[in-house]
Amino acid sequence: GENVEQHPSTLSVQEGDSAVIKCTYSDSASNYFPWYKQELGKRPQLIIDIRSNVGEKKDQRIAVTLNKTAKHFSLHITETQPEDSAVYFCAAPGGGGKLIFGQGTELSVKP
Amino acid sequence: EAGVAQSPRYKIIEKRQSVAFWCNPISGHATLYWYQQILGQGPKLLIQFQNNGVVDDSQLPKDRFSAERLKGVDSTLKIQPAKLEDSAVYLCASTPGGAVEAFFGQGTRLTVV
Repeated sequence: GENVEQHPSTLSVQEGDSAVIKCTYSDSASNYFPWYKQELGKRPQLIIDIRSNVGEKKDQRIAVTLNKTAKHFSLHITETQPEDSAVYFCAAPGGGGKLIFGQGTELSVKP
Repeated sequence: EAGVAQSPRYKIIEKRQSVAFWCNPISGHATLYWYQQILGQGPKLLIQFQNNGVVDDSQLPKDRFSAERLKGVDSTLKIQPAKLEDSAVYLCASTPGGAVEAFFGQGTRLTVV
């Protein structure tokens, strides 16, 4: 089955710096890669996703890149702000359409 | 559009007791998931329904956990008997089906003492 590894587990940056979170997946048939943000005590919410037919997607300060050959994808946040502080999860589909999540990255943006 | 509804929000029980959680997905969403999220970890899939049928329950501890979605809409997840290690947030999510965004409920925080 699908296995998703996410690194780093914690990340601390200064406000205005960039943050990068990386995930690797095992199932070469996976074709959809979402990223979720979970603030303390709240539900995970989708922030950006990418499908396997593109290599990069951007939405304002957030971008995701996908390398299908190497089976990894990354979340890039530029000009970080304190409100970006949260836990970020990557995910990839396993068989039958289920979503398998990474272990999460706790991002802390220091003012 | 109404979101995924879950209840209760919080539950504290003693070990060996039973507990049930309820989820109402977004209207029209055929796929429903139950995830277990232990503090500091990512959501772990317990069971996936497509309408009222089970697609995947390979990670569900079937000796103590059960789930149903009888009419293809609401779902309940039950734990009987509960263990200390079951303390976690139980998240319900739904999608229309296929590789698309999963919408999560607020979750039920279970504490087993």
